[in-house]
Amino acid sequence: GAGVSQSPSNKVTEKGKDVELRCDPISGHTALYWYRQSLGQGLEFLIYFQGNSAPDKSGLPSDRFSAERTGGSVSTLTIQRTQQEDSAVYLCASSYLTDGNTIYFGEGSWLTVV
Amino acid sequence: AQSVAQPEDQVNVAEGNPLTVKCTYSVSGNPYLFWYVQYPNRGLQFLLKYITGDNLVKGSYGFEAEFNKSQTSFHLKKPSALVSDSALYFCAVRGGSNYQLIWGAGTKLIIKP
Repeated sequence: GAGVSQSPSNKVTEKGKDVELRCDPISGHTALYWYRQSLGQGLEFLIYFQGNSAPDKSGLPSDRFSAERTGGSVSTLTIQRTQQEDSAVYLCASSYLTDGNTIYFGEGSWLTVV
Repeated sequence: AQSVAQPEDQVNVAEGNPLTVKCTYSVSGNPYLFWYVQYPNRGLQFLLKYITGDNLVKGSYGFEAEFNKSQTSFHLKKPSALVSDSALYFCAVRGGSNYQLIWGAGTKLIIKP
C-alpha cells in the first residue's frame, strides 16, 4: 500500500483480555518497528524486525507482550492479560534498510483497557 | 551513550514570527538526524533529515534545520509561523552502525493568532 497501515485504529478491551494489533508496512520495507506512546508523551521503543534477522525485543515491557512478523511483511503485536497501564497508542513504522533511511509511521492503534 | 535532548517542553510563538525548536544530541560516529511532527490524534509525519552534505536541510511545510557539528545541535526552524504549525515535534538521531533511532521527548509548539 501507499503507507503503513495499522488496525484496529481504536480498541477498547476489558482488563485481562488479550488483544492483537496489526501492522502492514510499506511494500518492500525490510525494517519494521513497534513503539508505544502514552497520551501526548514521547515514544517508547518496543520491538524491531529487520529482514530475516532475529528481532530486537529489548523494549518489550513484560512477557505479556509479544510480536511476530510473518513472511517479512505483516506484523502482529499481541498483549496478553491486558492491564490498565497498557492503555496507549501503539505505533508501527517501517523503512528500507537502516542507517539514513527514513522510517514512516502508521496512524497508530489506540488501545484503551477498562 | 547515545541521547537526544529537546530542552523545551513547549514553545509559544505568535503567528508570523520565526520559530525555533531546539534539539541537541550525543552519538558515536556520524549522526543521522531527523525531525518528525505529530498532529493531534495522528501518527508521526517525517519533516526532514540530515545525512551528509549541506548543513542546512529543507523539508516539508517550509521547515528547515541546521546541522551544527561543533554544537551537536539540529534545531528546527521556520521563518514565519502558521497557526496550523501547532503540533508536537520530535527530534531523533541514529549514530554509527546502530539501527536504533533515539528519540527526544518532544516539544509542543503552540502558534497563537
